[in-house]
Amino acid sequence: GESVGLHLPTLSVQEGDNSIINCAYSNSASDYFIWYKQESGKGPQFIIDIRSNMDKRQGQRVTVLLNKTVKHLSLQIAATQPGDSAVYFCAENMAGSARQLTFGSGTQLTVLP
Amino acid sequence: DTGVSQNPRHKITKRGQNVTFRCDPISEHNRLYWYRQTLGQGPEFLTYFQNEAQLEKSRLLSDRFSAERPKGSFSTLEIQRTEQGDSAMYLCASSSPRDDLLFGPGTRLTVT
Repeated sequence: GESVGLHLPTLSVQEGDNSIINCAYSNSASDYFIWYKQESGKGPQFIIDIRSNMDKRQGQRVTVLLNKTVKHLSLQIAATQPGDSAVYFCAENMAGSARQLTFGSGTQLTVLP
Repeated sequence: DTGVSQNPRHKITKRGQNVTFRCDPISEHNRLYWYRQTLGQGPEFLTYFQNEAQLEKSRLLSDRFSAERPKGSFSTLEIQRTEQGDSAMYLCASSSPRDDLLFGPGTRLTVT
């Protein structure tokens, strides 16, 4: 079965609010994690990544948190905008596997006006 | 270079026919990947090339699937004797060894 999964299939937030998308993984050998955004009809777009030797990484309006103790990954989007509406996937990469990513099934984020 | 490109964007074929998709990666990327994505699911790894060498193949890649990257640049993915279960989005991605994967827009295959 899949080693990466998501807690919620859909998430609706008000424009301007913060969004939190969660992900659980089960492969303790994974050392690299990535969040992708996928809009309808397009390929996945890289958002932010984090290595297993880190707990937190920040980008522009996005933050990824990694909790290796409980094998949990989250993506926080600050001041969510209508353009953030998309499906968000977390993906993991096992050490030495040359970016053979294992993706979760995705969370549909809808930003309400 | 505007990114990874894939052709065609859409393909409708009858069961039993052969189809071929093309991927043009970012020119300086030596790694190329094929993934398959079914509706509502995340992409699944199919195969990976470093230059012209096919280094990894998933169990998902049955004998009816073949991928090539003859000159280490563009790649083709062929599916022989298509089945309805092959209907999916086929995604290509490329990277350099230190960079993250950049995905193309995908080819959506519908087998009728």
